[in-house]
Amino acid sequence: EPEVTQTPSHQVTQMGQEVILRCVPISNHLYFYWYRQILGQKVEFLVSFYNNEISEKSEIFDDQFSVERPDGSNFTLKIRSTKLEDSAMYFCASTSSGGKSYEQYFGPGTRLTVT
Amino acid sequence: SQQGEEDPQALSIQEGENATMNCSYKTSINNLQWYRQNSGRGLVHLILIRSNEREKHSGRLRVTLDTSKKSSSLLITASRAADTASYFCATVPSNTGKLIFGQGTTLQVKP
Repeated sequence: EPEVTQTPSHQVTQMGQEVILRCVPISNHLYFYWYRQILGQKVEFLVSFYNNEISEKSEIFDDQFSVERPDGSNFTLKIRSTKLEDSAMYFCASTSSGGKSYEQYFGPGTRLTVT
Repeated sequence: SQQGEEDPQALSIQEGENATMNCSYKTSINNLQWYRQNSGRGLVHLILIRSNEREKHSGRLRVTLDTSKKSSSLLITASRAADTASYFCATVPSNTGKLIFGQGTTLQVKP
């Protein structure tokens, strides 16, 4: 069964450093998302991406964040200058051509620890 | 305001019993989805119910949706120890494609 994959599973970085989190969505999906979950809190939407551009973003997704689909398979989230409060689990998700009417399939997540 | 509030926050039952979790939301929705998360792991999609549906079944799962009350429930019948996890409802509001998650219900099923 196709699945969303994410790398790395765990990333430790120092405050102020740039990190890139990588995702490979399900191959025939067209809508891509990033969510995050701070430890003990609920999952929060960051950004959605369709047709090579951001379709929606949350207040959390400020100028320090960017997303890219550099090729036909990868979908990346970049944090330019990490802060302590960026420590969280980051989930990538994708869904099919139906967009919002269909299930979003999540990857296993990348645990980001900022020290 | 919060979208997707679950109730109860925590639930502990014996194997074989049924578990019921409730979810309330505030805005009009396109659909509502339930997810499971094992400790420290990813989110597993369980079931999606559209705004024009009232009830849906999938194996031991039964989901209801009452759009007039803006609420949903997830029933897990004949629970197993392997059902121990956190369960989240997530809504897709009518004017957006993003998922808005609730705080979740932590379910413990004792063998």
